[in-house]
Amino acid sequence: AQKVTQTQTSISVMEKTTVTMDCVYETRDSSYFLFWYKQTASGEIVFLIRQDSYKKENATEGHYSLNFQKPKSSIGLIITATQIEDSAVYFCAMRENTEGADRLTFGKGTQLIIQP
Amino acid sequence: NAGVIQTPRHKVTGKGQEATLWCEPISGHSAVFWYRQTIVQGLEFLTYFRNQAPIDDSGMPKERFSAQMPNQSHSTLKIQSTQPQDSAVYLCASSPHGGRNSDYTFGSGTRLLVI
Repeated sequence: AQKVTQTQTSISVMEKTTVTMDCVYETRDSSYFLFWYKQTASGEIVFLIRQDSYKKENATEGHYSLNFQKPKSSIGLIITATQIEDSAVYFCAMRENTEGADRLTFGKGTQLIIQP
Repeated sequence: NAGVIQTPRHKVTGKGQEATLWCEPISGHSAVFWYRQTIVQGLEFLTYFRNQAPIDDSGMPKERFSAQMPNQSHSTLKIQSTQPQDSAVYLCASSPHGGRNSDYTFGSGTRLLVI
């Protein structure tokens, strides 16, 4: 079974700095997709960025980028030039590429606090 | 595009009563998912439909939970004989057809409180 682990419960950084959030996963599948989502204080869950397991290049999207280390089953999220509004809970998730297995498995989340 | 619409936003039920939660996925999205979120368990998969057909309900508590998708524009999650441990935020999400590399779009959720 898939498993996604986020060991950092909470991170606090100063505004305009760079932060990295860790995520490791377990899967027996050779092809899979990794996602990061953000949940705001209002409860809204928003998609941020995706990494396809067969791609060697790290995905980037605006001030979000990923550090994909496939041999370590690791997919870290990097946020550069953080802003106050980046304060939220960040979830790592994995979706297998197996016929019939079409669910996202989520980590428990990391709360990010951006201090002014 | 109004996004995924869930109603009601909040629901309070007495123990033993029935609760029905509604979801309207994004038009054209063929995959619909239900998740439950609690502080302790985090985001838990419940069930999934593709093109209205139930594909995977392995996350559903079997005895009291049921989900249906009678047409492409809405899905319902029904909880019979609600218990306090059913209190959670229930989230519906939809995703485009055939896209395992596609992200989900989540609704705002229904916060269920069983007292």
